[in-house]
Amino acid sequence: NAGVTQTPKFQVLKTGQSMTLQCAQDMNHEYMSWYRQDPGMGLRLIHYSVGAGITDQGEVPNGYNVSRSTTEDFPLRLLSAAPSQTSVYFCASKGQFVHTGELFFGEGSRLTVL
Amino acid sequence: DAKTTQPPSMDCAEGRAANLPCNHSTISGNEYVYWYRQIHSQGPQYIIHGLKNNETNEMASLIITEDRKSSTLILPHATLRDIAVYYCIAPSSGTYKYIFGTGTRLKVLA
Repeated sequence: NAGVTQTPKFQVLKTGQSMTLQCAQDMNHEYMSWYRQDPGMGLRLIHYSVGAGITDQGEVPNGYNVSRSTTEDFPLRLLSAAPSQTSVYFCASKGQFVHTGELFFGEGSRLTVL
Repeated sequence: DAKTTQPPSMDCAEGRAANLPCNHSTISGNEYVYWYRQIHSQGPQYIIHGLKNNETNEMASLIITEDRKSSTLILPHATLRDIAVYYCIAPSSGTYKYIFGTGTRLKVLA
């Protein structure tokens, strides 16, 4: 079991470029989500998904797109990167559909936008 | 989500119990309280959760007040490896939004 795998671990972009942060889990979890964490701050929820084909917005969704075509994968797309999106991004997944299980986090993807 | 309030930082002497408070006065009857911690820049790690009763596992104990408006995470013998930011969250049962807030930074003093 690899758990939650995020790629890439580090990425540098120029303003206006696009990219996709990948997140995969091998635990057959229904729930997956993306967070961003700015320096010295807590985690802020970007988007989440409760199953394949279902996504919803979190606290800070602007500038990000997601899709969930399979149970395993939940990619996060930045269509036109801005310096304000410089952050560490964490993907998380959760097994049970009701609120009795914990979130499992990936190791994070550190993104710098110049 | 029930709004949670935590002190921004706390100190604890090594070997002593660390008691980390969390206020969740707007929590609903069926909403659980979860605790996570984040060591340095790693992904957050689950610690414990509870609904009404006190809970204990190999990492910590969770004490929830009878009115469920607050809880305390107890690390019985804090070590330098417990230096982390600790987050208390109370996700709403109908939205599936896990909102983390800013947490409490625990400093363990040798």
